[in-house]
Parts: sequence; C-alpha cells; structure tokens
Amino acid sequence: ILNVEQSPQSLHVQEGDSTNFTCSFPSSNFYALHWYRWETAKSPEALFVMTLNGDEKKKGRISATLNTKEGYSYLYIKGSQPEDSATYLCASNTGGFKTIFGAGTRLFVKA
Amino acid sequence: DVKVTQSSRYLVKRTGEKVFLECVQDMDHENMFWYRQDPGLGLRLIYFSYDVKMKEKGDIPEGYSVSREKKERFSLILESASTNQTSMYLCASSLSRSYEQYFGPGTRLTVT
Repeated sequence: ILNVEQSPQSLHVQEGDSTNFTCSFPSSNFYALHWYRWETAKSPEALFVMTLNGDEKKKGRISATLNTKEGYSYLYIKGSQPEDSATYLCASNTGGFKTIFGAGTRLFVKA
Repeated sequence: DVKVTQSSRYLVKRTGEKVFLECVQDMDHENMFWYRQDPGLGLRLIYFSYDVKMKEKGDIPEGYSVSREKKERFSLILESASTNQTSMYLCASSLSRSYEQYFGPGTRLTVT
C-alpha cells in the first residue's frame, strides 16, 4: 500500500494570510495526483488533477505544483478567506483503480 | 450538474444487524467506489466496481460486501454490523479509473 502523507495536520490562519500545505507520495509508478476540498457537511470536490512533473495548476486564489521525481505537491492559497475553511485532501494514483488518500490538512480561516 | 447521492446522512444500528448503504450516480460512470473515513486517517477503500456485476476488494473489505446490479447503483452491505464499523462512509464514482472522483455527501453510521 502506498503512503500519502500530508502536512500540517491542521492550520489556523487569519483572513488575508497566504498559506500552503504539502503532500508527499511515493514517486515510483506515479500516474496522477489529485487535490480535493472537503467542506463540513458537504461532499469532497475535486480541485486539481495533475500528471506531469513540473505541472502547475490554478483556480482563482488556489494553485498547486507537482514534483513527481521527488514525490511531493504543494497547494497554495493566496489571501485566505473564511470560505476557504475546509479539509484539503490529496490522493495519488498509479494508473489503476486504487487512489490512495492522505489524511488531509484541516484549514481554519478566521475573519 | 454531476450528482452522487447516498441513501442516508445519518444511521444508527445495533450490533449484529444487517445494514445496507445505497449509492446512486447520474453520470453514467463505469467506476464506483466505497470508502470509509476515520479521524486521523485518509479515506480507505473498501470495495470498488468497474462495471455492472463486477466488484473488487479494496484495502479493508473484511466485514463488508457490495452489490452492483445496475450501472448507476452501488450498494455496500454490512452483513453483521459491529461497533468497529462505526464510521463515515463515502461513495464515489469516476469516468475512468485514474480520473477525478465525484463523491456523495457521506453516511455517518453509528453501531451501538
């Protein structure tokens, strides 16, 4: 079983702060890396799917980078807002049916 | 809009009961998944299905079974519920095996 590690486990920031989290995954047999946002009482929603080394994706104030050679991805949030409060999950897939999820980073943004 | 629904948001069952969790997707996806989520752990795969009547064990299949009689519906069955099956259960579907997954809202199951 692959191990996908996320850090930090939780994070408290003030509105307007920029923040970032890390996802580490085994670099062997890599196929795709997924980021999801999971708000309380809602379903996890896909943010990004990344496949190429050096990939960088952006959606509004959120962006992500991927390093497949060393096995890590960063998720950045610029100018955090209270509505960004959620758990951010990353997940690694080796091309098969199984996608291995990390435990998530829980972000709290205080107004 | 893509949609995955689950039959219950909250469920309380007694030890030894047979429990059915239903999941329906309206996206014509081939692949469907059942996960459980426990504090401090990532989503763990219980079972998945890549076609009607096809099923494969995930990482923690013990104590569970599944059924996929129609493409849009994937059921998780706890044959005899136990307290260690108290958890949040999430269903998901995807177009292709490594594509993004679409999740249902989850069922929080408590077994007493």
